[in-house]
Amino acid sequence: DTGVSQDPRHKITKRGQNVTFRCDPISEHNRLYWYRQTLGQGPEFLTYFQNEAQLEKSRLLSDRFSAERPKGSFSTLEIQRTEQGDSAMYLCASSLGQGGETQYFGPGTRLLVL
Amino acid sequence: GNSVTQMEGPVTLSEEAFLTINCTYTATGYPSLFWYVQYPGEGLQLLLKATKADDKGSNKGFEATYRKETTSFHLEKGSVQVSDSAVYFCALSDRSNAGKSTFGDGTTLTVKP
Repeated sequence: DTGVSQDPRHKITKRGQNVTFRCDPISEHNRLYWYRQTLGQGPEFLTYFQNEAQLEKSRLLSDRFSAERPKGSFSTLEIQRTEQGDSAMYLCASSLGQGGETQYFGPGTRLLVL
Repeated sequence: GNSVTQMEGPVTLSEEAFLTINCTYTATGYPSLFWYVQYPGEGLQLLLKATKADDKGSNKGFEATYRKETTSFHLEKGSVQVSDSAVYFCALSDRSNAGKSTFGDGTTLTVKP
């Protein structure tokens, strides 16, 4: 257990539905990252926060995706109008510092879009 | 941009065999290098890391040395166990690139008794 938790662990939804995932980082960590991992691939960066500010978003993050980190604590990732191509593992990680330090990963949320 | 290339798998070894998983990287800045391990159904766990050239990371019998001249960070273990069966990811994190991590595609290791 790294101290980073994610909820839910598994989500099955129908195409077109909206889903929201939650990440609770290690409490003193100022940085929070979201990654997506598809089968047989390494995780790919989606977006990151420093405290409550979202500082960068990947081109992978279409307009249907939105992330928030209110008060610089937990974060949510919402996918609107889900598509089958959104099926993946969504990983959250947190770290303390300005970048380059160790990131601690949560167990992930596995999304299946039918 | 940054990239990480890992030795293709899967890798199958007998217990007590020597393990090497190759990893090379491309980075614009001065990255920190990591090896993560992922067991079935679980998230990524940090295995070891190195933050500057010639540093050696080690943990649980695994070792990797940050080689700037060859841009490599190969993972080694002298004697693998069945419990080492997992997927191993090489990654870099670069402060000049917002600290986000860039991962290789992973190498699946299976150790047979």
